[in-house]
Amino acid sequence: DAGVTQSPTHLIKTRGQQVTLRCSPKSGHDTVSWYQQALGQGPQFIFQYYEEEERQRGNFPDRFSGHQFPNYSSELNVNALLLGDSALYLCASSLRVRNTEAFFGQGTRLTVV
Amino acid sequence: GQQVMQIPQYQHVQEGEDFTTYCNSSTTLSNIQWYKQRPGGHPVFLIQLVKSGEVKKQKRLTFQFGEAKKNSSLHITATQTTDVGTYFCAPRQTGANNLFFGTGTRLTVIP
Repeated sequence: DAGVTQSPTHLIKTRGQQVTLRCSPKSGHDTVSWYQQALGQGPQFIFQYYEEEERQRGNFPDRFSGHQFPNYSSELNVNALLLGDSALYLCASSLRVRNTEAFFGQGTRLTVV
Repeated sequence: GQQVMQIPQYQHVQEGEDFTTYCNSSTTLSNIQWYKQRPGGHPVFLIQLVKSGEVKKQKRLTFQFGEAKKNSSLHITATQTTDVGTYFCAPRQTGANNLFFGTGTRLTVIP
């Protein structure tokens, strides 16, 4: 049983470019949440997807958008990249009805130059 | 909005000493979770506390939820080098499905 998988593991982009990060949730999970973790900081909630809709959103600009597919996998898109977007992007999956623990992927390390 | 503070931000202990981190919320919580993140790793779920005054133990780790459900603590007895990492509380407000993480406490254990 695979856990949460994220791709790619590392990515280098130029300021102004766009990036798409991918996440496959743990088998049986229906909810995907995305977090941004800057170096030395705690994970900051970006948004959560359930039933292919964005259900909750943290304090992030519209440059951050997402999608959830019928198979529960998810994408995080960031447009017009800024240097400050450099961070570890974490995907967490959970089962909404149980509202218990979240399982995290290994993350995607994004560097914007 | 919800404000969550974790203290201390950093803690260096000698192996064998005890360690405690505290999580304080400005609002009453539905429940609270604790996660551990090893250096270079991702957060890993430790426990969830739901009831007022709840105390749960996992070997050398003791978790408490305050009576008012506004604060929580994690206590590690006789720390080991394997305890190194950052410990995050993740409170959840009533009716919310998403987790917001505290600022974290980075634990260093000196052998």
